[in-house]
Amino acid sequence: EAAVTQSPRSKVAVTGGKVTLSCHQTNNHDYMYWYRQDTGHGLRLIHYSYVADSTEKGDIPDGYKASRPSQENFSLILELASLSQTAVYFCASSDMRTGKSNYAEQFFGPGTRLTVL
Amino acid sequence: QQNVQQSPESLIVPEGARTSLNCTFSDSASQYFWWYRQHSGKAPKALMSIFSNGEKEEGRFTIHLNKASLHFSLHIRDSQPSDSALYLCAVSMRQGGRALIFGTGTTVSVSP
Repeated sequence: EAAVTQSPRSKVAVTGGKVTLSCHQTNNHDYMYWYRQDTGHGLRLIHYSYVADSTEKGDIPDGYKASRPSQENFSLILELASLSQTAVYFCASSDMRTGKSNYAEQFFGPGTRLTVL
Repeated sequence: QQNVQQSPESLIVPEGARTSLNCTFSDSASQYFWWYRQHSGKAPKALMSIFSNGEKEEGRFTIHLNKASLHFSLHIRDSQPSDSALYLCAVSMRQGGRALIFGTGTTVSVSP
């Protein structure tokens, strides 16, 4: 099964500080995603990437940057953390090559709980 | 822009009862339909998917898809306390990098 790991698992940051969340996948998936989940709610897409050294904006990119230095690694960067960015952040990966029986299935990491004070 | 909505927002069902969850989507070109389950404090995990109109059953879980009505559903037979979770539906187009667009979720609580 797909393995996606995230670090750190939890973090407390100060308003205005810089935060970097890291994601690593070992399944040779082409696509990687960053989502935000607020308590009891669905997933909102922040950024995604389909190839190393390239990222795309999702639905809520404001206040976030992303970096994909290699196929295995995908980072989410909050340059100036704000209170409103307190949430759980999930990284996911998927194999989007056509013809796959589980086309578009996304495999999620365990999440990072970020608290901005 | 695809719009994916779920109903109800939450429900409580007695153990052993049938649970029914609904998902509507707005883009008739959608081709792949998923249900994810997320237990409290855990990551979402794919539960089932369906790619063509009709019904698909896996154990106690059944998906119904009606593309003409822009609707699909998840039914859980003989609900168990372990089924208590947040259920997320998701829709995918074949082309485009967005892959999955998730609904807002339905929280299910199964009471013993």
